[in-house]
Amino acid sequence: DVKVTQSSRYLVKRTGEKVFLECVQDMDHENMFWYRQDPGLGLRLIYFSYDVKMKEKGDIPEGYSVSREKKERFSLILESASTNQTSMYLCASSPLQGGQETQYFGPGTRLLVL
Amino acid sequence: GENVEQHPSTLSVQEGDSAVIKCTYSDSASNYFPWYKQELGKRPQLIIDIRSNVGEKKDQRIAVTLNKTAKHFSLHITETQPEDSAVYFCAASITDKLIFGTGTRLQVFP
Repeated sequence: DVKVTQSSRYLVKRTGEKVFLECVQDMDHENMFWYRQDPGLGLRLIYFSYDVKMKEKGDIPEGYSVSREKKERFSLILESASTNQTSMYLCASSPLQGGQETQYFGPGTRLLVL
Repeated sequence: GENVEQHPSTLSVQEGDSAVIKCTYSDSASNYFPWYKQELGKRPQLIIDIRSNVGEKKDQRIAVTLNKTAKHFSLHITETQPEDSAVYFCAASITDKLIFGTGTRLQVFP
């Protein structure tokens, strides 16, 4: 059974703070993804990674960076949080490279930036 | 740019009726089309997917159809039940990632 976990379910931060969101998967998956989910906008891809130390920009990478030092862990970093980054953040993983396999999602982190 | 349009944004049906959600995509190279269901407060989970070499796929009460010429695909749920109430997302593959639709909130009334 695939398990994708995220470090926090809820997070409250102040504008300008550096924020780390952690995601861990236990199924030796190659691909990992970070999305943000906003009402009426669906799931939008921020960054993804298909291997350790590799990263690719998604559709909305501005204001974010990522780190993948180990295969099972993919971190999303908000260098200087802003109020427009208040959102639900979802991590996902999939077994093979390429966007054509099932993605398994974590439970999400609801981030509020004040 | 690449995008996936999804309609309707909300859908209310009576228990036992059918529900249909439609998506269109822009990239003719897309060849994988999954559907995810997200119940309230839960994570999205894959419910069915279809690849471009197939026109239709069924799994019990749910089915997906694909028209590659018209670049659209649809989710069909028959004999809806209250537990089908959720937000449904379609997606289309673009090279090595998925582009998601904006979601459809389905409400099934008993």
